[in-house]
Amino acid sequence: NAGVTQTPKFQVLKTGQSMTLQCAQDMNHEYMSWYRQDPGMGLRLIHYSVGAGITDQGEVPNGYNVSRSTTEDFPLRLLSAAPSQTSVYFCASSRDRNSGNTIYFGEGSWLTVV
Amino acid sequence: EDQVTQSPEALRLQEGESSSLNCSYTVSGLRGLFWYRQDPGKGPEFLFTLYSAGEEKEKERLKATLTKKESFLHITAPKPEDSATYLCAVRGFTSGTYKYIFGTGTRLKVLA
Repeated sequence: NAGVTQTPKFQVLKTGQSMTLQCAQDMNHEYMSWYRQDPGMGLRLIHYSVGAGITDQGEVPNGYNVSRSTTEDFPLRLLSAAPSQTSVYFCASSRDRNSGNTIYFGEGSWLTVV
Repeated sequence: EDQVTQSPEALRLQEGESSSLNCSYTVSGLRGLFWYRQDPGKGPEFLFTLYSAGEEKEKERLKATLTKKESFLHITAPKPEDSATYLCAVRGFTSGTYKYIFGTGTRLKVLA
């Protein structure tokens, strides 16, 4: 029962460093997405993918890149970390985008940029 | 503007004291309203999806209802293990695009 798996759970970065948050799902879901959760704000969509090889921007994409080479994996790359990117990041997946399917979330990655 | 507002921000209940959480929304082309439970240090966990006004869903001590402008999550005789943050989200469809909008959540604490 792995579901959506994110790594790492915790990370501290220095301003300007780059890193990749990993996300994998074992449910053969077409749709995957990355959200960030900040105090006093709802979850905000960073990037999403409707299938392997297809990605698109969400609400807050600046400073982040994604790729989707396989159905299972959807890594999120921070190109040059900034303190404003300190947040909790959640990867999510659902069967597809064109119906009211349930979104399954990973356990989250806590990122601090100093 | 599409938005979701949850109230109250925080709620403390005694064990067995029933109450309701509110989720008010405005969205173009509603394609579902979702309730999630989020425990500290964890990702949101799906509870319910509601699609049309008048619809109701139940799970153990939780019951979700939907009107054209808001949804309620009713908690009957809560237990300490119901303590969590409850998130509401709506899925809208405009200009050929689906969009999820999340509320900021209600932090529920149930005291033994």
